[in-house]
Amino acid sequence: KNEVEQSPQNLTAQEGEFITINCSYSVGISALHWLQQHPGGGIVSLFMLSSGKKKHGRLIATINIQEKHSSLHITASHPRDSAVYICAVKTDKLIFGTGTRLQVFP
Amino acid sequence: DSGVTQTPKHLITATGQRVTLRCSPRSGDLSVYWYQQSLDQGLQFLIQYYNGEERAKGNILERFSAQQFPDLHSELNLSSLELGDSALYFCASSVAGAPRTDTQYFGPGTRLTVL
Repeated sequence: KNEVEQSPQNLTAQEGEFITINCSYSVGISALHWLQQHPGGGIVSLFMLSSGKKKHGRLIATINIQEKHSSLHITASHPRDSAVYICAVKTDKLIFGTGTRLQVFP
Repeated sequence: DSGVTQTPKHLITATGQRVTLRCSPRSGDLSVYWYQQSLDQGLQFLIQYYNGEERAKGNILERFSAQQFPDLHSELNLSSLELGDSALYFCASSVAGAPRTDTQYFGPGTRLTVL
């Protein structure tokens, strides 16, 4: 079993829909990263959080340390949100989930 | 733009060959991390250097080696290449050497294709 599990693996949505991507982990962590990887391959860090909730524009990330679970929400999704979203947990190294491929259609 | 640069962007080579990937960290960052992203394994941590010294090792094969130079740039050397080494190789940098607390900034990656 992977130490970091993401769901769903693939997600398609219509423009404007509310999106939720989930991440569960089984190890002790100091923080959790949400990363975005565009089709060109580049990786951008969206959030790093260790408790509670963070918001940036249309993106919201939450984490529940007791339940070892985090969610990434995208409100009013747009085709430019199409990317792979990767959850990574911080221990003595970064451990990555397998990613969620999101496609948003106009 | 994260401030981390990687060269080359693309590399195509043959099995058995040796290649060197280069990474320049953000100005002021002392730590460099190398990651491999293959289709079947996802992103995996390979190795970390901090101020010229190896700090942590992950799933790095013995055919692979890395170093960090006094100017803090780093090189990842891959030798006796196999088809399965084809992957995206990312470098990331952070201010200090503490993955637990530092934010890591990723470079654009080097796409290696082994034919």
